[in-house]
Amino acid sequence: QQQVKQSPQSLIVQKGGISIINCAYENTAFDYFPWYQQFPGKGPALLIAIRPDVSEKKEGRFTISFNKSAKQFSLHIMDSQPGDSATYFCAASNAGGTSYGKLTFGQGTILTVHP
Amino acid sequence: GAGVSQTPSNKVTEKGKYVELRCDPISGHTALYWYRQSLGQGPEFLIYFQGTGAADDSGLPNDRFFAVRPEGSVSTLKIQRTERGDSAVYLCASSSSGGVSEAFFGQGTRLTVV
Repeated sequence: QQQVKQSPQSLIVQKGGISIINCAYENTAFDYFPWYQQFPGKGPALLIAIRPDVSEKKEGRFTISFNKSAKQFSLHIMDSQPGDSATYFCAASNAGGTSYGKLTFGQGTILTVHP
Repeated sequence: GAGVSQTPSNKVTEKGKYVELRCDPISGHTALYWYRQSLGQGPEFLIYFQGTGAADDSGLPNDRFFAVRPEGSVSTLKIQRTERGDSAVYLCASSSSGGVSEAFFGQGTRLTVV
């Protein structure tokens, strides 16, 4: 019940294209859904996050779409750039009783953006 | 400091040995988390500290793993009788509180048990 399932495992897009990564969760108590970006040899860095009271959040080229009834959320990267090439993780947490920092992560998506 | 600092960056140890991994959180951050990331996987939660106390240690895999944060700042993750399966990157994160605040991750310690 704590799982977060992420797809695809890897993704290749051309520069300027749209990258889409999907996640699904099971635990309806989750109330915070961040996306993290990780470069080789580095720790994950928060990219964008959403709470279930909104269906979409946009920050620059990055947009989270959230579907509470389907228990799914996705990351869209518009105008993808070679510098976006990294591993992306979706995550979820439930602040009730603990904190937003106790995260359940997806398996990760390796994004490669070709010039 | 400017960010979460973890030392050492890399640690190679022999099976059966004891290791300590250190985390220096961002100054003033009261919440501290340890995660373990195996190759090709997402990080897995190990333990969460709020101040000096372990608020949630449900992710520790067994009693060979232990963590402390005696003064509410630096934390040490301790692994006894290491096994080859303990090989992974151990990540530390901190946040300004246990509520809705971003968790900042360190670069991790890569532990290799040979």
